[in-house]
Amino acid sequence: QKEVEQNSGPLSVPEGAIASLNCTYSDRVSQSFFWYRQYSGKSPELIMSIYSNGDKEDGRFTAQLNKASQYVSLLIRDSQPSDSATYLCAGPGDYKLSFGAGTTVTVRA
Amino acid sequence: KAGVTQTPRYLIKTRGQQVTLSCSPISGHRSVSWYQQTPGQGLQFLFEYFSETQRNKGNFPGRFSGRQFSNSRSEMNVSTLELGDSALYLCASSSHLLNTEAFFGQGTRLTVV
Repeated sequence: QKEVEQNSGPLSVPEGAIASLNCTYSDRVSQSFFWYRQYSGKSPELIMSIYSNGDKEDGRFTAQLNKASQYVSLLIRDSQPSDSATYLCAGPGDYKLSFGAGTTVTVRA
Repeated sequence: KAGVTQTPRYLIKTRGQQVTLSCSPISGHRSVSWYQQTPGQGLQFLFEYFSETQRNKGNFPGRFSGRQFSNSRSEMNVSTLELGDSALYLCASSSHLLNTEAFFGQGTRLTVV
């Protein structure tokens, strides 16, 4: 059964710090992964897509895909209070996109 | 390019009633997936439609059903509503099945009283 797992608990970081989020996945051949941001009471918003091994940077966000170790991560640099949200990773599952349970990030001012 | 549109945004229904939610995907997208999200819970997959056919179904009772029309718009129906059906219902639009980006609508918040 192909799935994506996101086991890290709530993450609290001071403003300006780096927030690091991780997911693991079970299917070795999976190539496409996505990060979503969900503010409380709102719907998930796609913020990063990564399709190849390595890093992909977009502003303060960096997505990393490590196929050898089967994990995907998201780094948020210079964290801002507006980054406080739940972050969901997603990747190929069994005939559907598989979502992790989410990591709630709180940025302390 | 218009995003994913879900209607209505909010609904209050009584136990035992039924409800129909609508989702219009991004123009050109043929895949629509539905999810249920309750407070503190992750996204629970309901079903996915592609080209008017249900391609995959999650572990929900038969009270939950859906369909997709030729213009890719999708509806989901919940019959005999229970209090536990109160949730945010989200639909996601993709251009293809699998391995592609999914874009979410704003959701329909259903409250069953």
